Order: sequence, then C-alpha cells, then structure tokens
Amino acid sequence: AQKITQTQPGMFVQEKEAVTLDCTYDTSDQSYGLFWYKQPSSGEMIFLIYQGSYDEQNATEGRYSLNFQKARKSANLVISASQLGDSAMYFCAMQNTGFQKLVFGTGTRLLVSP
Amino acid sequence: GAVVSQHPSRVICKSGTSVKIECRSLDFQATTMFWYRQFPKQSLMLMATSNEGSKATYEQGVEKDKFLINHASLTLSTLTVTSAHPEDSSFYICSARVQGMNSPLHFGNGTRLTVT
Repeated sequence: AQKITQTQPGMFVQEKEAVTLDCTYDTSDQSYGLFWYKQPSSGEMIFLIYQGSYDEQNATEGRYSLNFQKARKSANLVISASQLGDSAMYFCAMQNTGFQKLVFGTGTRLLVSP
Repeated sequence: GAVVSQHPSRVICKSGTSVKIECRSLDFQATTMFWYRQFPKQSLMLMATSNEGSKATYEQGVEKDKFLINHASLTLSTLTVTSAHPEDSSFYICSARVQGMNSPLHFGNGTRLTVT
C-alpha cells in the first residue's frame, strides 16, 4: 500500500527566503510518480510540480524545485524567494503507475510573513 | 488548457434531501474522473473513481448507495449525495487527467456542502 507522510503541520518563512517542505513516501513499486499541489484558502488544488521515479534529474518549475532522494524515499518541495501569495496548504501526493488514483499526504500549512 | 469545472461551488440543503454535484472537463476528454472529499483541516480522501460508460469504483468504506456516481459522457461526471445528513457536510472536489498515467490531475474548484 502507498503511504505519504508530511511531518510538518505548519511552516513559517519570511518573504524572499527559501523554504523546504518535507515529504516521505512508502511504496514497494518501482515505478511511481510524485506530485505537489498547493491549496489556497479558496479551496482549489493547484498542481505545482511532478517527479517520476525514474527521472534522474530533480524536477524544477520556476520557483519550485523538488529534492528527490529515491533511496531515502523523500520528495521535498523547495520554494525559493517566497512570496506572500505562497501562503497556503501544500500537499504531497503519490501515484503508482498502473493505478491512476492519487494518494495525498496530510499537508503542510505554509505562512509567509512580510 | 486542462480546465475542470465543478458546479455548484456551494450548496446548503436540508437533511434527507439529495444533492447533485457536476464535474466537467471543459477542453479535454476524460474517461476517468476522481471524486475526493476533504474535511476541514484534513487531507483529500479519495471516494471513488468514475469511469465513463461503466460503474464507478468506490474506495473502502464509501457507501456506493449513498454517493451515486454517473459518468455518462467523456466530459461529465456527477456525484449525487442521497438522503444527505449533517455528517455528509464536507468539501467535495473532482479531478481528471488529460492523458498519460503520470500527467497531473487537474481539479475542479470544489463544492462545499452544508447539510442542515
């Protein structure tokens, strides 16, 4: 069974600083995908970044990068140059190839202060 | 592209009534859609996988007779909460994938259901 763990219920960061949100996962499958989503207070789920288990390079999308350490089964999200608009819930999720469904972690609430 | 539209965004209903929530993929076809439920300050829990032209697949513990899912076309899935009770009050959100197993799920904006 898949399991996603986000151990940080809340994180604080100052504007323009970088922040790392932790995510570890557990799966016995060799092929899987890891995703990060942002959920503002309005509720919509915004896709941020994706990492495939066979990808050798860490994924990057603008200010978002994913620190993928396969042996440690971790997929931490790094947000550089934080902005006030980054304040939101952040969810890590995993999907095993062959199953289409996405399993989510418990989330981390990020608060960016001026 | 890859827009998922969900309607209504908010609904308040009386206990015992049924509520239908629509999920549409606006610019792509979705043979599969996913329905999630989210309680306040909690994560998203998958309720069921909606398959176009066939029966939905429900997750363990989800009552299929209470949460009726219909996926009648490649762009529309509906979730009907039947005989709603206050404990069904929650945030329901649907999602769909454009194509490819590892492409991201695109989510609707969710429906906040309050049962009084």
